[in-house]
Amino acid sequence: QVQLQESGPGLVKPSQTLTLTCTVSGGSISSGHYYWSWIRQHPGKGLEWIGYIYYSGSSYYSPSLKSRVTISVDTSQNQFSLKLSSVTAADTAVYYCARQNAYFDYWGQGARVTVSA
Amino acid sequence: EIVLTQSPATLSLSPGERATLSCRASQSVSHYLAWFQQKPGQAPRLLIYDASRRATGIPARFSGSGSGTDFTLTISSLEPEDFAVYYCQQRFNWPPALTFGGGTKVEIK
Repeated sequence: QVQLQESGPGLVKPSQTLTLTCTVSGGSISSGHYYWSWIRQHPGKGLEWIGYIYYSGSSYYSPSLKSRVTISVDTSQNQFSLKLSSVTAADTAVYYCARQNAYFDYWGQGARVTVSA
Repeated sequence: EIVLTQSPATLSLSPGERATLSCRASQSVSHYLAWFQQKPGQAPRLLIYDASRRATGIPARFSGSGSGTDFTLTISSLEPEDFAVYYCQQRFNWPPALTFGGGTKVEIK
């Protein structure tokens, strides 16, 4: 059974960089069949796709966040990470990592991140 | 960007009733559409993919239909655990791009 688990600070100061890591167990990121994504959900709102990375390192980001987002992969640790720079209160959300093979079939439980001084 | 519009925003029904949820795309997405269920405090769960295929372990009371720009998720007889928010998602232009709809909340009447 594939499992994903987000980890990282729950509180980030404005203008700083939000960093989250997703650890995958029960399957290898390097298998090559899947894309590994980050999705966020603002409080009481819908889902917003942030971007994805393939095990090879190729990535794609949502145009609305592209200038501030970096997703990286560490196949040796079976992890992938999200960096979102210059955060504001508008980046306060629950951040999910997910596995994607056309569709998102496995999700992490979500990491709540608050941007506040 | 392909925009997905879900309706209604809220659906108030009683257990045992039939639920019909709509998702309309701003342009054709062929059959490349999925439905997710999300309960409070939980991650979304994949219900339907490719418009009409049930994901593993999803009960038969959930069905999806449609193609092109108009899609429907039907729950034939609502169980207490089905009251949740439902999202559609398209992957017509994926990779790289994909989008989610705004969601429909199915609440107990």
